[in-house]
Amino acid sequence: EAEVAQSPRYKITEKSQAVAFWCDPISGHATLYWYRQILGQGPELLVQFQDESVVDDSQLPKDRFSAERLKGVDSTLKIQPAELGDSAMYLCASSLRGGSTDTQYFGPGTRLTVL
Amino acid sequence: AQTVTQSQPEMSVQEAETVTLSCTYDTSESDYYLFWYKQPPSRQMILVIRQEAYKQQNATENRFSVNFQKAAKSFSLKISDSQLGDAAMYFCAYRSASGSEKLVFGKGTKLTVNP
Repeated sequence: EAEVAQSPRYKITEKSQAVAFWCDPISGHATLYWYRQILGQGPELLVQFQDESVVDDSQLPKDRFSAERLKGVDSTLKIQPAELGDSAMYLCASSLRGGSTDTQYFGPGTRLTVL
Repeated sequence: AQTVTQSQPEMSVQEAETVTLSCTYDTSESDYYLFWYKQPPSRQMILVIRQEAYKQQNATENRFSVNFQKAAKSFSLKISDSQLGDAAMYFCAYRSASGSEKLVFGKGTKLTVNP
């Protein structure tokens, strides 16, 4: 069964360092989402891609976060510089074509700890 | 903005018994989708069940069923014949039928299944 892949699974970094997370969606899925899940909370959307285009990045802290999906397949989320408050689980999800009826499939996440 | 509230941070159930997880939501929209996602420890979030707001019939998936009360904005999940593998965090989520495709999650309920 096809799954969303994410790496690394765990990342520990120091404050002010740069970190990057990678996501490979299910093959053929046009829509890709990055969510952030703070401990004890539900996930919150950071950015949504349709193919290589950003559809929604209204909740992305653009002064330090960036995301790209250059060829409309895999995606990278970057934080520079990392802050203590960025410690969280970063989840990637994909869906076939987007739309409210589409199911979002989640990856296992990258757990980030900022020291 | 839509909000989702899960008032039970933790629940427990005996194996083979039935448990109900609560969820309420707030929206001014008339058409939307509601979801229950399961997040096992250290594993990816998976969709358990989905309900379309325009459907009066409650959704059912094997041992999982929902009680959807649109007027009350309530969406509870019932798990029958609970199994050890049902132990996980359960998240209730909302998605608009038009406009933003993002999932709006509650804070989750941690379900423990006792043997």
